[in-house]
Amino acid sequence: EAGVAQSPRYKIIEKRQSVAFWCNPISGHATLYWYQQILGQGPKLLIQFQNNGVVDDSQLPKDRFSAERLKGVDSTLKIQPAKLEDSAVYLCASSLDLAGRLAFFGQGTRLTVV
Amino acid sequence: GEDVEQSLFLSVREGDSSVINCTYTDSSSTYLYWYKQEPGAGLQLLTYIFSNMDMKQDQRLTVLLNKKDKHLSLRIADTQTGDSAIYFCAESKRGSQGNLIFGKGTKLSVKP
Repeated sequence: EAGVAQSPRYKIIEKRQSVAFWCNPISGHATLYWYQQILGQGPKLLIQFQNNGVVDDSQLPKDRFSAERLKGVDSTLKIQPAKLEDSAVYLCASSLDLAGRLAFFGQGTRLTVV
Repeated sequence: GEDVEQSLFLSVREGDSSVINCTYTDSSSTYLYWYKQEPGAGLQLLTYIFSNMDMKQDQRLTVLLNKKDKHLSLRIADTQTGDSAIYFCAESKRGSQGNLIFGKGTKLSVKP
């Protein structure tokens, strides 16, 4: 079974630039999550989708971050404009349902903002 | 304060048992998880325990849950060098089970 796919693996941008990350969840998984993992910390949930609807985006900095899952499968996370403190690993995860008991994570995108 | 707390480092010798501890604050948590993260990799779900259980065993892994003290532990028997990684404890909250609250992780170093 294919896992959660993310791209790119690495990205370096200058502050105030824009960047987008892509995630393809495990086939059939209705729930998709984006987490931010700052170096030395555990992941923090940014946004959670159920199919193409947002379930929880309370911790998403909406002035600069946006995410969509238009067809209920792939998802993109965008940062515009980026700040230095956005440097982190962005992890995408998916689970079969909202209970999220078995959430599978992708390898993440490491973003460096200089 | 932090919702989930873990010690940052643990060093053991190959063949010994490792015990990684975690404390959490939300008594309404329904599931508690252990994830493993190797360098440059995503998070791998190792095991999870439902909040009405005290213990769960899966091959070399034993999870103990003390709800009264809000304490969770992961024991790895016969620790191998391949077990070297960062281990994250996480809790999910009732009503928002997909929202996992992670600790900062415990870096396990296994010496040959």
